[in-house]
Amino acid sequence: GENVEQHPSTLSVQEGDSAVIKCTYSDSASNYFPWYKQELGKRPQLIIDIRSNVGEKKDQRIAVTLNKTAKHFSLHITETQPEDSAVYFCAPFVMNRDDKIIFGKGTRLHILP
Amino acid sequence: NAGVTQTPKFQVLKTGQSMTLQCAQDMNHNSMYWYRQDPGMGLRLIYYSASEGTTDKGEVPNGYNVSRLNKREFSLRLESAAPSQTSVYFCATKTDTQYFGPGTRLTVL
Repeated sequence: GENVEQHPSTLSVQEGDSAVIKCTYSDSASNYFPWYKQELGKRPQLIIDIRSNVGEKKDQRIAVTLNKTAKHFSLHITETQPEDSAVYFCAPFVMNRDDKIIFGKGTRLHILP
Repeated sequence: NAGVTQTPKFQVLKTGQSMTLQCAQDMNHNSMYWYRQDPGMGLRLIYYSASEGTTDKGEVPNGYNVSRLNKREFSLRLESAAPSQTSVYFCATKTDTQYFGPGTRLTVL
């Protein structure tokens, strides 16, 4: 089955600086790469995703980059703000294949004032 | 549209008691999932269902059973609850991405 790892497990950055979280996966057939944000006491919510036919996608201050050869993708947050403090998860899978979807263990992001 | 709903929101059980967590969706999605999230931890897959009438084990299925009687509903049953099953349980559906319910916070004493 899919083996998913996230690094780092905890990340502290000064407000206004950038943050990068990396997700590595083992299933080379994976072709959908989402990032979820989970605020304290709430459900995970999709913030950005990328499909394997593109290498980068950007949405305002967040972006996702994909390296299919190396089997990893990364979440980039620029100009970080206090509301970016949360836990972020990756969960890559194969679209149109009904299979288990495994989450990375999460990255706790702290934005320091 | 309610999306994905879960009942109950909170539950306290004693060791050995049984209960069923309910999940329903109105998005007409085929795939549904049950995850558990322990305090400060990630999401671990318990069971999933690719379509009505089919279920498969995830990473941590022991101590749980599931039922997918129709497309809308996917229930999770604890036959004999243990303190190790204290967790927040999330149900999710999938089309091109996953959509999560609000969660059920379960405490087993």
